[in-house]
Amino acid sequence: GESVGLHLPTLSVQEGDNSIINCAYSNSASDYFIWYKQESGKGPQFIIDIRSNMDKRQGQRVTVLLNKTVKHLSLQIAATQPGDSAVYFCAETNRDDKIIFGKGTRLHILP
Amino acid sequence: SQTIHQWPATLVQPVGSPLSLECTVEGTSNPNLYWYRQAAGRGLQLLFYSVGIGQISSEVPQNLSASRPQDRQFILSSKKLLLSDSGFYLCAWSPTGQPNQPQHFGDGTRLSIL
Repeated sequence: GESVGLHLPTLSVQEGDNSIINCAYSNSASDYFIWYKQESGKGPQFIIDIRSNMDKRQGQRVTVLLNKTVKHLSLQIAATQPGDSAVYFCAETNRDDKIIFGKGTRLHILP
Repeated sequence: SQTIHQWPATLVQPVGSPLSLECTVEGTSNPNLYWYRQAAGRGLQLLFYSVGIGQISSEVPQNLSASRPQDRQFILSSKKLLLSDSGFYLCAWSPTGQPNQPQHFGDGTRLSIL
């Protein structure tokens, strides 16, 4: 089936280091990808998105990379802070306004 | 700016009781609206979506229903709750007529069925 998934369910990173969260997708027709951050007890919060005509997009402390050849998406967080602790979801869509979410990766920050 | 509100934040209901969760969006017109359910430690499952007043599409067969009585109001209901209806319910909106836009989520309702 067509789905979006994540390689690692939990990622532990030292405070101050960079974090890299990975995601694989299988639908080659997907043309828009989103990363969400979900803190405990809250709804997912939009972080950054990327369209399929791009391979890199940068925001504040975050970078999303898209490799369409291997259907791989990653989120890089620079200088990880305690406030970055959350579950991160990748998501894909292919123009029908329905977003398919991955299962999520929990980012744990070590002091 | 646009905001989305869900209430209540938490709800404890007995099996067999009715349910009504409400979601409203402010600051935009004719949004696409969505209801999701999230099981503990899991991803999001789309339950319903709506592209306009009275227009509801159901994604999975279930004990729940949705209604959109006003442009920016989306309601999730059940006549008789089951234990399996427990979960975290999220409402989301996205701009209509604009492809490749993220959905924006409310802070959810945690529903516990006893």
